[in-house]
Amino acid sequence: DGGITQSPKYLFRKEGQNVTLSCEQNLNHDAMYWYRQDPGQGLRLIYYSQIVNDFQKGDIAEGYSVSREKKESFPLTVTSAQKNPTAFYLCASSPPGAITEAFFGQGTRLTVV
Amino acid sequence: GQQLNQSPQSMFIQEGEDVSMNCTSSSIFNTWLWYKQDPGEGPVLLIALYKAGELTSNGRLTAQFGTTRKDSFLNISASIPSDVGIYFCAGRKDSNYQLIWGAGTKLIIKP
Repeated sequence: DGGITQSPKYLFRKEGQNVTLSCEQNLNHDAMYWYRQDPGQGLRLIYYSQIVNDFQKGDIAEGYSVSREKKESFPLTVTSAQKNPTAFYLCASSPPGAITEAFFGQGTRLTVV
Repeated sequence: GQQLNQSPQSMFIQEGEDVSMNCTSSSIFNTWLWYKQDPGEGPVLLIALYKAGELTSNGRLTAQFGTTRKDSFLNISASIPSDVGIYFCAGRKDSNYQLIWGAGTKLIIKP
């Protein structure tokens, strides 16, 4: 089955630790995105990548880092510099030529304890 | 960052009722999208609108791209229990611009 897989579904982290969220897609999509969702709010863009080895900051990139070494994978690292990392994180991808974020993963809920 | 004004924030409806929600902005958008999100899941694209005045249906769902290009509307006819969830609008100003999101409309069906 084609789709976007985010793992893990739930993640707990101690303050001061970096943590990496996985996002893998087998849809052959060029563009991939990371969003953060907080209760009662819409999605906010953290980073996006249009092609391999290239990525751009979104509105709230501070405290986060990404890499895009392979077309299928776009991992997000939440660093200790992110002041309020507890949130629901969503990865998305879109095919070539499309101008919409068409497909989302199931999300990772990160809780800092 | 900019956010779209989505209303209502939540709706309590009876099964079988029709539902209307809207999204407005002070800026002009070239694309309007409507997504639905179930609890603990990622949003799923329902309808995409690319032209002012466009009216598009997806089953019981109908969405319209406002003629001013500053708003969009989503209607759900004859609601059923599986319609519960959060509906998000999103807009894009041009093909290279990131999506701007509304805060969502939570749909709840009264028992």
